[in-house]
Amino acid sequence: KQEVTQIPAALSVPEGENLVLNCSFTDSAIYNLQWFRQDPGKGLTSLLLIQSSQREQTSGRLNASLDKSSGRSTLYIAASQPGDSATYLCAVMDSGYALNFGKGTSLLVTP
Amino acid sequence: AAGVIQSPRHLIKEKRETATLKCYPIPRHDTVYWYQQGPGQDPQFLISFYEKMQSDKGSIPDRFSAQQFSDYHSELNMSSLELGDSALYFCASSPNRGGAWETQYFGPGTRLLVL
Repeated sequence: KQEVTQIPAALSVPEGENLVLNCSFTDSAIYNLQWFRQDPGKGLTSLLLIQSSQREQTSGRLNASLDKSSGRSTLYIAASQPGDSATYLCAVMDSGYALNFGKGTSLLVTP
Repeated sequence: AAGVIQSPRHLIKEKRETATLKCYPIPRHDTVYWYQQGPGQDPQFLISFYEKMQSDKGSIPDRFSAQQFSDYHSELNMSSLELGDSALYFCASSPNRGGAWETQYFGPGTRLLVL
């Protein structure tokens, strides 16, 4: 069974810092990896999707990389803002097209 | 842009009661997924449908059943509710049978509380 781990579980940084969130998965036979944002009590917003054949994707201040062979992905957030405060979830899609989620990194960006 | 609609948004039930959650996918999306997120937990896949047929099954209890209708909306039926069923239930939809090239778009969730 695919296991997805996210480190750190929580992170607090001052506004303006660049930061990296880590995700690892146990089975490298994935179709894609996605990063989501979840605000408290709210739904999931897709941030980036990386196909298994791709190495990275960028959207604005966000950059996600994928190293499928080592089972790792990182989400890089540049110039963090208080509005970035949320829980960030990593999810991998393998056979069956269902998503396997990590437990998330809770991010707090302080003004 | 239209998003995934879930109803109700909040639901309170007693133990052993039944509940029905509804999901209306984004127009022209043919695939629906259900996930359960317990307090402080990551979302767990329950079941998915493509073109009104079950396409994959995850950790869905036997007390739960689901179906997708001709208009592509889906319903999750939960019977003999237990305290442990209290969770946030998400529905997600995607086009083209989902798959590696498609993002799953999540609804706002239904928060179920079982007393």
